[in-house]
Amino acid sequence: DTGVSQNPRHKITKRGQNVTFRCDPISEHNRLYWYRQTLGQGPEFLTYFQNEAQLEKSRLLSDRFSAERPKGSFSTLEIQRTEQGDSAMYLCASSLVGQVTEAFFGQGTRLTVV
Amino acid sequence: AQSVAQPEDQVNVAEGNPLTVKCTYSVSGNPYLFWYVQYPNRGLQFLLKYITGDNLVKGSYGFEAEFNKSQTSFHLKKPSALVSDSALYFCAVRLIREAAGNKLTFGGGTRVLVKP
Repeated sequence: DTGVSQNPRHKITKRGQNVTFRCDPISEHNRLYWYRQTLGQGPEFLTYFQNEAQLEKSRLLSDRFSAERPKGSFSTLEIQRTEQGDSAMYLCASSLVGQVTEAFFGQGTRLTVV
Repeated sequence: AQSVAQPEDQVNVAEGNPLTVKCTYSVSGNPYLFWYVQYPNRGLQFLLKYITGDNLVKGSYGFEAEFNKSQTSFHLKKPSALVSDSALYFCAVRLIREAAGNKLTFGGGTRVLVKP
């Protein structure tokens, strides 16, 4: 499968714990995005990378959230000291730069904080 | 700031009838416009996009959308709906200017239910 891959698909964690999600983009895509989607809402932009550089971060991305893309390939999104309000679907997408191409989305990681 | 409005939370249509899902947008510049579909427990799948040129764009699975600059709308249409079209549909906008960033701003989604 050459699509965007996200792991894990589901994560249940206790409030206050740290969690980390991984995204493997389509291999030739140099842009990678993270979005958050809560139930009944459209996805909201969190951050994006061009290669290994993090170029934009949303105000939604509090200091408990950190994202990395160390070698310009896969990316991780870490949430520290999780809160119940962090419960959501976290979507990763990738695209090529320099073209008006659509972003391709992974199936998401559903986080439940109990 | 850019925003997208999908005024209908749900659209019900009988199989074989035309389907329309409405979308209006607000941006301070020229937009790229997209439609995505989401099936249960799945990621978003791209349907179609408007970049420039012909206001009527055709996409996957028989869907099309019409860009109307004066009304700032980008409604999704399908001439004859199928039960399998039942899903959640999202309209999204992105600014053309690269310096404005590359993020998509999504509407709240419209659930489509096609009844046999």
